[in-house]
Amino acid sequence: DAGITQSPRYKITETGRQVTLMCHQTWSHSYMFWYRQDLGHGLRLIYYSAAADITDKGEVPDGYVVSRSKTENFPLTLESATRSQTSVYFCASSLTGPGTDTQYFGPGTRLTVL
Amino acid sequence: QQPVQSPQAVILREGEDAVINCSSSKALYSVHWYRQKHGEAPVFLMILLKGGEQKGHEKISASFNEKKQQSSLYLTASQLSYSGTYFCGTEETTSGTYKYIFGTGTRLKVLA
Repeated sequence: DAGITQSPRYKITETGRQVTLMCHQTWSHSYMFWYRQDLGHGLRLIYYSAAADITDKGEVPDGYVVSRSKTENFPLTLESATRSQTSVYFCASSLTGPGTDTQYFGPGTRLTVL
Repeated sequence: QQPVQSPQAVILREGEDAVINCSSSKALYSVHWYRQKHGEAPVFLMILLKGGEQKGHEKISASFNEKKQQSSLYLTASQLSYSGTYFCGTEETTSGTYKYIFGTGTRLKVLA
């Protein structure tokens, strides 16, 4: 039972480069989420998806792009990385809406933008 | 604006009790509690869906007061494994934009 996985676990990139963080879940959960976690800000929702081909913005979507062509995958792309996007990124999934169900988090990706 | 948690940090001895509060400036319809250990992902503890609802998980329980727009997490007879940062989480929709918002966090350290 793999659950929810993220790759890579660690990534160092340079300002201006495009970076894609991968998220894969094996539970067929409808909802998937991307959060970033920074000291002093806690966890903030970037984007979420209620189902394949349905995505929507969260609290801090600027500079990020998501897609969800398959239920199990929810990649997050930084189109042109900036230093302010240095953070730990967590992907999560839930069977139904997050207000009524458990969110299961992946192990996180630590991204450093130089 | 994210829910405010209090205290910001607490240190306990094994066996002692603690209460963590989560207060929101907006109406709460559901509250979740998570624990995150250093360097790890948050782990779900419990969800409270109704006003006044109380739930428990082992020696950890929580209450939800809709009128006061707050929730409290109770840790009874704390164990070393309880150490970590606790977050409350809630959802809101503002101008059609959905947000799932985590609280400011409470760092808890249990000492032997």
